[in-house]
Amino acid sequence: GAVVSQHPSRVICKSGTSVKIECRSLDFQATTMFWYRQFPKQSLMLMATSNEGSKATYEQGVEKDKFLINHASLTLSTLTVTSAHPEDSSFYICSARDIGSLNQPQHFGDGTRLSIL
Amino acid sequence: QKEVEQNSGPLSVPEGAIASLNCTYSDRGSQSFFWYRQYSGKSPELIMFIYSNGDKEDGRFTAQLNKASQYVSLLIRDSQPSDSATYLCAVRGGYSTLTFGKGTMLLVSP
Repeated sequence: GAVVSQHPSRVICKSGTSVKIECRSLDFQATTMFWYRQFPKQSLMLMATSNEGSKATYEQGVEKDKFLINHASLTLSTLTVTSAHPEDSSFYICSARDIGSLNQPQHFGDGTRLSIL
Repeated sequence: QKEVEQNSGPLSVPEGAIASLNCTYSDRGSQSFFWYRQYSGKSPELIMFIYSNGDKEDGRFTAQLNKASQYVSLLIRDSQPSDSATYLCAVRGGYSTLTFGKGTMLLVSP
């Protein structure tokens, strides 16, 4: 089945640090990848849709200068949390869908747990 | 505003029973319907997807879709303690993004 790899799985760092999270589709090509954030005991919140070769589409309320997204190839998207602060601590999850059929399901990476001290 | 509604639960069932998880959606143009399972602290994993009205079975899982009523459900037969998790319903129309419900927590007691 489709596999999405996300790295790193956990990050603990000081306030003000920038953190990069990678999301790779391992056995399929993904024109579009999705970045979600999930706070404890809350639902998944879509942050942005990452489009290969073009600018990401951000959801309302998500700062594009804070959360930089780069989708350089059909198998790799990165999310950089710039100048992270404690309120950015969350579970970040990427997801990708095969470039093929319209109805292909999205597959999720294992997530990155970000803790800002 | 596209909405996907789920009862937050918890839904408690004894081991071996059938668990029934329900979901309603607001967008009549929705075409694809997905059920994901999320264990605490983990990312969602796909359980089933369904596109057409009726039932779709896969092992112990059955997804049911009724587009007229804008309703999709997931039945889990012979529930096991390992099925205890939060079940997320997700809906998509065309090439648009998935809209997730807030999830239903299922607790299966031994």
